[in-house]
Amino acid sequence: KNEVEQSPQNLTAQEGEFITINCSYSVGISALHWLQQHPGGGIVSLFMLSSGKKKHGRLIATINIQEKHSSLHITASHPRDSAVYICAVGGVGNEKLTFGTGTRLTIIP
Amino acid sequence: GAVVSQHPSRVICKSGTSVKIECRSLDFQATTMFWYRQFPKQSLMLMATSNEGSKATYEQGVEKDKFLINHASLTLSTLTVTSAHPEDSSFYICSAEGRGRYEQYFGPGTRLTVT
Repeated sequence: KNEVEQSPQNLTAQEGEFITINCSYSVGISALHWLQQHPGGGIVSLFMLSSGKKKHGRLIATINIQEKHSSLHITASHPRDSAVYICAVGGVGNEKLTFGTGTRLTIIP
Repeated sequence: GAVVSQHPSRVICKSGTSVKIECRSLDFQATTMFWYRQFPKQSLMLMATSNEGSKATYEQGVEKDKFLINHASLTLSTLTVTSAHPEDSSFYICSAEGRGRYEQYFGPGTRLTVT
């Protein structure tokens, strides 16, 4: 069973700061997902990646397969980025996702 | 990106009644749908995986007779919570995956409150 750990668990930052959220996992995966969950509960899929780096607007996700580690970066953070960010990994040949416990991000104006 | 909807978004029901939650993929054919449950401040917990036209596969500890899952078409899966109890109150989320794709698209969730 894959163990997924995220850090930090909680993060508070000022508007405009550069944000980094980390995710580590224990066994090989087919893909890693970064998800965003707003206070209302709905989940948005931000990225799915299996290697390298992806960028979408102010969000950047990177993954290092050898080190079993991924990071989610937010540039020029804004209060609307406040949410819980969840890392989830899919095992090789297995559709099921294993979820991290999430990082609660609060951006203060 | 692909869109998954859930209905209703929130529901309150009395103890002992049944409630049905729908999950629809709006712009793609979902060969596999997943149902998750999330308790406050906790991560998502996979309840079951359903493939179109076949019986759902339930995770250990999830009662299949209590949580009935039907995946009758490539765009619709339903979760019925039967004889609901207050401890079934939770946030239920579905996700859908298309044929040959490994990306799961999540629905907005349904908040169930059993009184």
